[in-house]
Amino acid sequence: DTEVTQTPKHLVMGMTNKKSLKCEQHMGHRAMYWYKQKAKKPPELMFVYSYEKLSINESVPSRFSPECPNSSLLNLHLHALQPEDSALYLCASSQGDKLAGQYFGPGTRLTVT
Amino acid sequence: QKEVEQNSGPLSVPEGAIASLNCTYSDRGSQSFFWYRQYSGKSPELIMSIYSNGDKEDGRFTAQLNKASQYVSLLIRDSQPSDSATYLCAVDTGRRALTFGSGTRLQVQP
Repeated sequence: DTEVTQTPKHLVMGMTNKKSLKCEQHMGHRAMYWYKQKAKKPPELMFVYSYEKLSINESVPSRFSPECPNSSLLNLHLHALQPEDSALYLCASSQGDKLAGQYFGPGTRLTVT
Repeated sequence: QKEVEQNSGPLSVPEGAIASLNCTYSDRGSQSFFWYRQYSGKSPELIMSIYSNGDKEDGRFTAQLNKASQYVSLLIRDSQPSDSATYLCAVDTGRRALTFGSGTRLQVQP
């Protein structure tokens, strides 16, 4: 089973709202990732958690705040976003070693109004 | 120079033909290489991984890696209309994180 789940599927929020994206995997993977993907562009890495610790932050603005409550869950807290933050937000997980591929969830389509 | 480069396409092939997708990378320390397929409006799906020089076959897919020339390719045999998608090349330079190419759009004509 290579399933990564994400909720919600779609989210519309205003620039003053606070919302959270959720991601879950039950494959025993030790690494989890957040990516942002704009239309007709490849996924761009935002954050990497390895063994529940933040290992990579790709200089993401502080209005995006990741959280890894346990090895199966990954959250992305959103606050005071801008319209240009509208995108598909993808969660992925992997075994975490150099030979391991990453498995993506279906994504959350975020629209900031 | 981009870290991972792909021709954006579209690459158009007739049904039943071999589709050849290419990717070059700049970091000689890159260790792992992956091909993802992404249908419009969907998330990327891992279809092949390769770590050693040479060919790796899985069904209709063959991945080829040449570290000396810093390129990786994906061959799709007996292409089907359902193979029409964007194919993303991804490279792990050792950070345990992927850098993606911009993707090649493949169109298989019935």
